[in-house]
Amino acid sequence: AQTVTQSQPEMSVQEAETVTLSCTYDTSESNYYLFWYKQPPSRQMILVIRQEAYKQQNATENRFSVNFQKAAKSFSLKISDSQLGDTAMYFCAFMNKNTGNQFYFGTGTSLTVIP
Amino acid sequence: KAGVTQTPRYLIKTRGQQVTLSCSPISGHRSVSWYQQTPGQGLQFLFEYFSETQRNKGNFPGRFSGRQFSNSRSEMNVSTLELGDSALYLCASSLSRDSYGYTFGSGTRLTVV
Repeated sequence: AQTVTQSQPEMSVQEAETVTLSCTYDTSESNYYLFWYKQPPSRQMILVIRQEAYKQQNATENRFSVNFQKAAKSFSLKISDSQLGDTAMYFCAFMNKNTGNQFYFGTGTSLTVIP
Repeated sequence: KAGVTQTPRYLIKTRGQQVTLSCSPISGHRSVSWYQQTPGQGLQFLFEYFSETQRNKGNFPGRFSGRQFSNSRSEMNVSTLELGDSALYLCASSLSRDSYGYTFGSGTRLTVV
């Protein structure tokens, strides 16, 4: 079974500053995907960034980047130049590439960007 | 391009009743998955349908069921509602099983009283 752990229930950051959200996971699989999803008050889960486990290069999407440490099973999200619109719940998620149809989510981190 | 549409957005039911939730995927998407989100248990996988067939099911009692129609629209049904079934139910669609391009809807907030 796969487990995803987010140890920071709440975090805050000043606007324009940088913040890092932590995520660790446990799996015996070697072929998988990792994701960060954002859930604003509108409730829709929005994909922030994704990483394929076989790719050593860390994924980057504009102000969002990850630090993927496969051996340590760590997948942290860095948000640079934080904006008020980044205020949301952030969920780390795992998906087995072989089955590909089920997310395993962490418990989430509530991020507040302070003006 | 329309997103994933879930109806209704809010629902209040009484214990013992049954409820049906609907999910219309993005046009062309054939896989539909359902998740339950609660403060206590977080996001949990319910089931996944592809081309009208259930391919995977989470660890939920038989009161939770679903189906998918030929146009890929999906419904989930919960019978004999319990207070603990109060949750946000999220639906996600994707092109195929091999695609990790999942798009979520905004969910149905179910309250059982």
